Amino acid sequence: KNQVEQSPQSLIILEGKNCTLQCNYTVSPFSNLRWYKQDTGRGPVSLTIMTFSENTKSNGRYTATLDADTKQSSLHITASQLSDSASYICVVGGAGNNRKLIWGLGTSLAVNP
Amino acid sequence: DAGVIQSPRHEVTEMGQEVTLRCKPISGHDYLFWYRQTMMRGLELLIYFNNNVPIDDSGMPEDRFSAKMPNASFSTLKIQPSEPRDSAVYFCASSSSLGSYNSPLHFGNGTRLTVT
Repeated sequence: KNQVEQSPQSLIILEGKNCTLQCNYTVSPFSNLRWYKQDTGRGPVSLTIMTFSENTKSNGRYTATLDADTKQSSLHITASQLSDSASYICVVGGAGNNRKLIWGLGTSLAVNP
Repeated sequence: DAGVIQSPRHEVTEMGQEVTLRCKPISGHDYLFWYRQTMMRGLELLIYFNNNVPIDDSGMPEDRFSAKMPNASFSTLKIQPSEPRDSAVYFCASSSSLGSYNSPLHFGNGTRLTVT
């Protein structure tokens, strides 16, 4: 069954600290993995997209990693800011006859001053 | 570009009433998606269009739901009759012709639907 699981479900950190969010998936065959940021009351916004041949991609203070062998990805946020408070959603794209996007439930991050 | 535009932002209606949600995708995008988001199930794909043609509507929960895309700049999602369990945030998203599975989705800010 195609699934995307994220951990932790929620996280609270202090401004300026780093954090890492995890994503495990069972989607097969696999095409790409995406991370989206969703602010409260807004639609998700794309942070990174990685294909199976990429193992890291950065977007400013956000760095995503991918291990296609273990089917794991992480999103690392460096020097967090209050504006990083949001839900972060991992999305996995299938390939071939399984060409759908499977969405995780997200990790809710709160950055406190 | 103004991004994906959805209306209304909030809709409160009584059970049994018809609800119509509207979406204007980003100009030049060939793919349009309708999603529903709830706390329990996250984002679920309802239907998507390519060049105004519905491609996959397997996520539409019941016959009460219907979607149309009469032209490249407008789509509607209609629920008739509405039920309390339809309460959710409905998102419209669009993407470019590079390929819906290898290009980012651009989302609108959603319509929060409450059915009482």
